[in-house]
Amino acid sequence: AQSVTQLDSQVPVFEEAPVELRCNYSSSVSVYLFWYVQYPNQGLQLLLKYLSGSTLVKGINGFEAEFNKSQTSFHLRKPSVHISDTAEYFCAVSFLIKAAGNKLTFGGGTRVLVKP
Amino acid sequence: ETGVTQTPRHLVMGMTNKKSLKCEQHLGHNAMYWYKQSAKKPLELMFVYSLEERVENNSVPSRFSPECPNSSHLFLHLHTLQPEDSALYLCASSPSPAGQETQYFGPGTRLLVL
Repeated sequence: AQSVTQLDSQVPVFEEAPVELRCNYSSSVSVYLFWYVQYPNQGLQLLLKYLSGSTLVKGINGFEAEFNKSQTSFHLRKPSVHISDTAEYFCAVSFLIKAAGNKLTFGGGTRVLVKP
Repeated sequence: ETGVTQTPRHLVMGMTNKKSLKCEQHLGHNAMYWYKQSAKKPLELMFVYSLEERVENNSVPSRFSPECPNSSHLFLHLHTLQPEDSALYLCASSPSPAGQETQYFGPGTRLLVL
């Protein structure tokens, strides 16, 4: 079965420090990959996505992610975080097989707390 | 108003009540979704509609009944819910239901079932 794992449920980080959020998925088929962010009391919004082409994807607010097919990973990074980056981050995968339809499978989320 | 809106934002209901959640999108999209977000569990897809036709029903109990009268509106009718149904219910839309599309989410309805 297809699955998405976010290895860290919580990541505390100091302001202006770098952060990496890890995402791994289990599948041997082609995938589309997404990172969404959820700020407090809001819905999710797209940070970035990988569909094809360059494996390094740049998104909004200075975030970037790298698709590694051999390691089935799509880790999210930001070189210098701000207080406003405090939020929950979700990795999501669309598995390109008939059984999965077109639905997104979400990871469990990583809560990032940026400290001053 | 732009984007995806949901009403009400908060709802408290007893197990014998009937209530409805409303979602409206102003983006001209053809696909709409209901998700359930519970504490300590991944986001769960409940239903997918494409051009007002239900294309996905993710083994959701019948006490949840979706309705999509047109491509801009989506409802989730609730009846005889259980306390474990307490969660944040998120609506989303996308240009089509294809897997590469970005989904646009509303702010959610936080539901508490007593």
